[in-house]
Amino acid sequence: DVKVTQSSRYLVKRTGEKVFLECVQDMDHENMFWYRQDPGLGLRLIYFSYDVKMKEKGDIPEGYSVSREKKERFSLILESASTNQTSMYLCASSLGDRTTNEKLFFGSGTQLSVL
Amino acid sequence: AQTVTQSQPEMSVQEAETVTLSCTYDTSESDYYLFWYKQPPSRQMILVIRQEAYKQQNATENRFSVNFQKAAKSFSLKISDSQLGDAAMYFCAYRSRYSGGGADGLTFGKGTHLIIQP
Repeated sequence: DVKVTQSSRYLVKRTGEKVFLECVQDMDHENMFWYRQDPGLGLRLIYFSYDVKMKEKGDIPEGYSVSREKKERFSLILESASTNQTSMYLCASSLGDRTTNEKLFFGSGTQLSVL
Repeated sequence: AQTVTQSQPEMSVQEAETVTLSCTYDTSESDYYLFWYKQPPSRQMILVIRQEAYKQQNATENRFSVNFQKAAKSFSLKISDSQLGDAAMYFCAYRSRYSGGGADGLTFGKGTHLIIQP
């Protein structure tokens, strides 16, 4: 089975800190995604990447950036964390065929609290 | 842009009974995919079932089945013989068949919290 691993399950940071959320997948997937999940709002797409060094903005990219230097790793960066970025962050990956109904494989999430 | 609406924030069902979770979506596209994902307390999102819009036959996976009404843009999930392990958040999701640009991810609804009463 595909494994998507997020480096931290819980993270507490202070306002203004630079925060890195790491995600690694082990099945040579082309696509990787970062979502944030908030109660009553569901999952919202922040950024995604369909190849190494390629990135695309999702629906809510403001305040975030991403990095994909290696195929298996996709990092989400909060340049200057703010309290409104307190949320659950979910990483996902998929094989990469855009014309199929391929499924996403998700990590277990990182609950980030910004104080 | 596509939107996905789940009108039931929470549902409760007795163990062994059947429950139906509602989902509607808005799109101008004719070809797309629909999904139901389950998120148990472990937070790991798990694909429950998926449906291609061009297929008229409703998808089924064991105790899980969908009622796909393309004209009505409705995609409900039916869980038969509910079990305690079915307790979770359920998310309905949409994906264009030919994605590109900023539309390559899934668009999710806000979720329905399913409670199973023993």
